[in-house]
Amino acid sequence: EVQLVESGGGLVQPGRSLRLSCAASGFTFDDYAMHWVRQAPGKGLEWVSGISWNSGSIGYADSVKGRFTISRDNAKNSLYLQMNSLRAEDTALYYCAKEARGYSYGTGGFDYWGQGTLVTVSS
Amino acid sequence: QSALTQPASVSGSPGQSITISCTGTSSDVGGYNYVSWYQQHPGKAPKLMIYDVSNRPSGVSNRFSGSKSGNTASLTISGLQAEDEADYYCSSYTSSSTPLVFGGGTKLTVL
Repeated sequence: EVQLVESGGGLVQPGRSLRLSCAASGFTFDDYAMHWVRQAPGKGLEWVSGISWNSGSIGYADSVKGRFTISRDNAKNSLYLQMNSLRAEDTALYYCAKEARGYSYGTGGFDYWGQGTLVTVSS
Repeated sequence: QSALTQPASVSGSPGQSITISCTGTSSDVGGYNYVSWYQQHPGKAPKLMIYDVSNRPSGVSNRFSGSKSGNTASLTISGLQAEDEADYYCSSYTSSSTPLVFGGGTKLTVL
């Protein structure tokens, strides 16, 4: 059974940092691109960042470019999101999502999602 | 990268069919057959309903279908059921610096 379990969220002051993690199981992790998608309270889905199966392709939404860094450790079946210089508008539920098609990046849809980890940026 | 355009809300009665549109540009929806649709119930993670414009993942009801014409993709739900009431989001691969973009979401109400 595929499982994606996010962790690392919490309450943080503006300007501070937070590191999110996503532990994956039930599939061959290093065959698939992985992504972070966020959803602000009462709002829609926003793609945040993605990383290809071999970390050769990495992308960020304009809203987080230069502040967030995505990475993965295929030996640990884990995905990460380092979030620096956090702003109030980064407050959201952050989902980890698996791309449906192996060895693709951004084209296959997301067939598995975690339950999300809540990040609240407030003083 | 601008979000894809979806109607804020649609509604229908049980048994009817509804269609949700998703309008982009030639750089995303119109340029690639990589449109996906997601269903999200309150408090739940999104669920993939359609990928590659019109393909259904295993386990998704055949009442859900997808299509595309030009820069607009569409999700059609036939034989509406109460359990279909949810938010629906489209997404597309893009040729911009960011590989993927979502639509703003559509709230489906089953009357």
